[in-house]
Parts: sequence; structure tokens; C-alpha cells
Amino acid sequence: AQSVAQPEDQVNVAEGNPLTVKCTYSVSGNPYLFWYVQYPNRGLQFLLKYITGDNLVKGSYGFEAEFNKSQTSFHLKKPSALVSDSALYFCAVRDISSNSGYALNFGKGTSLLVTP
Amino acid sequence: NAGVTQTPKFRVLKTGQSMTLLCAQDMNHEYMYWYRQDPGMGLRLIHYSVGEGTTAKGEVPDGYNVSRLKKQNFLLGLESAAPSQTSVYFCASRPPGQGINYGYTFGSGTRLTVV
Repeated sequence: AQSVAQPEDQVNVAEGNPLTVKCTYSVSGNPYLFWYVQYPNRGLQFLLKYITGDNLVKGSYGFEAEFNKSQTSFHLKKPSALVSDSALYFCAVRDISSNSGYALNFGKGTSLLVTP
Repeated sequence: NAGVTQTPKFRVLKTGQSMTLLCAQDMNHEYMYWYRQDPGMGLRLIHYSVGEGTTAKGEVPDGYNVSRLKKQNFLLGLESAAPSQTSVYFCASRPPGQGINYGYTFGSGTRLTVV
């Protein structure tokens, strides 16, 4: 089955510093990868996705993600973190099987805390 | 505004009670999904539907039933609620087929507590 793993439960970074939230994937064939963000007591907001093409994907709110096939990773990055970036981040991969209706399979989430 | 609407937003149930969560989308999407979110476990697929009148089980279907009588609505039912069903429930929808250029749209969630 298509799956992703987020190895860090929490990432702490100082405001203004670069941030990285890690995600690795395990898939058959070419992966369709996504990042979502969840602010406290809110729903999921789409940040970006990788389908094919350029390995560096740019998304919303200044975030970007780098697809690395050799390392099977899709890490989320931002050059300069803001306190308002503090939230829960989910990596997801689309299932290739019609048996799941091509549902998204999510990682466990990484809590990002940006301190002033 | 176009999107996915979930009702109710919050609910407290007693063990053994029943309830129905409603998901409505106005984007004419074929595919709809119900997920539950639990701390440290991410989102897990409960049931899904690939079109009006069709439903199928996901990863964690036990204790839940669903119906898709109308294309725009996907209902999630709990016949006899248990404390283990305390969770945040998200609905999502997407257009049909394998095309990936269309995104998944999520509702804002329903926070359910079973006491």
C-alpha cells in the first residue's frame, strides 16, 4: 500500500530561521504527494502537491517541498519561519488503488512550533 | 461559497446513543470520503463513495455506516456510540477518475465526544 511517514512528532524553530518538516514515502510506481496544514481547531488546508516534473514544488504561504526520488523523501521547507506558521502539518500520498477510491493516505502529522 | 460543509461542528453523545454526521458538497464531485483524526495517528479513512448510491469500507469502518443517496451528500452514522469513537471527523471530496490535477477539498470537521 502507498504510505508516508513523518519521523518527527514535533519540530521547534526560532522565528526567522529556515524550517524543514520531514516526510518519507513508500509507494509502488510514481507517487502523488501532498502537504496539508491544520491550524488549531480548524480544518485541513492544502499547501502543495507533487505530481511530476520539477522536483522543487512551490506552494501557499511561502512553503515549498523538495521531491527526492533516491531518498524517497518529500520534505516541506520554508526559508524564514513565522510564528503564525505554528500548526500541525500532514504529509499524504494518493492511493493508487481504485479499491480505496484513490483516497489520500496520511502521515501521523508533525507539530511545528515557531518561537519569537 | 463553494466547498464541503459538515454539520454539526460539535457534538457530545452518551455511550449507546446514535447520530448522523452530514457532509454536503456543491462542486458536483463524484468521490467523497470520511476520515477520523486522532492524536498521533493522523487521518484514517473510515468509508468512501465513488458515486451516488455506492459506498465502500476504508481502513477503520467498524462501528460506522454510511449512505450516499444523493450525489451531493455523504452521511456518516454511528448506531451505538462508544468512547473509542471520540474523534474529529473530516469529510473530503474530489472529482472523478484518476486525474490528479484536481484537488481534494476538505470540510472543517466535526468534533465528537462520546462520554
